Amino acid sequence: NAGVTQTPKFRVLKTGQSMTLLCAQDMNHEYMYWYRQDPGMGLRLIHYSVGEGTTAKGEVPDGYNVSRLKKQNFLLGLESAAPSQTSVYFCASSYEAVGLAGATDTQYFGPGTRLTVL
Amino acid sequence: RKEVEQDPGPFNVPEGATVAFNCTYSNSASQSFFWYRQDCRKEPKLLMSVYSSGNEDGRFTAQLNRASQYISLLIRDSKLSDSATYLCVVNPPGGFKTIFGAGTRLFVKA
Repeated sequence: NAGVTQTPKFRVLKTGQSMTLLCAQDMNHEYMYWYRQDPGMGLRLIHYSVGEGTTAKGEVPDGYNVSRLKKQNFLLGLESAAPSQTSVYFCASSYEAVGLAGATDTQYFGPGTRLTVL
Repeated sequence: RKEVEQDPGPFNVPEGATVAFNCTYSNSASQSFFWYRQDCRKEPKLLMSVYSSGNEDGRFTAQLNRASQYISLLIRDSKLSDSATYLCVVNPPGGFKTIFGAGTRLFVKA
């Protein structure tokens, strides 16, 4: 049981390049999330998914796209990377829908991807 | 005003000390509250949920003060292994809007 895994762990891009971050979970969770974490700021939600084939925008979705073709995978794409997208990206999953009234379920996070855009 | 605010610290305490962190939130209708722990260059992990009546898990005690809109985390008998960043997490109403604080850094020294 690997939990939540992310690939790659590190990546350096040049401005304008594209890339895809892969998140996989083996806990059969319906809900998956992509966050970015920047120094001095809390994790911010980029996009999320409530199930296979569905995606929705979070707090900071601009410049990113996502897909959830399979329940266990959630992909985050950067079509044209910018230096402002330099960050640590975390994927998470949960059994219940976090953020709803009375939700007590935890989110399980992947180890993160450290992305630098030059 | 930020939706969730934490003192960034760092808090430097000796082993065995008691240390407390507060976290304030702006939306009075927020429903759920949590403390996560994040080790250096690692992912966040749930430490404990915060219930209205307060709750305790070993050396850790979490409390919620709705009137003043803050939650607190108390760590008793600090261990070296408690050194980490502690993230306050608040769920305001509306769904899928988990708000993470920027974290409070704790260093426990021998």
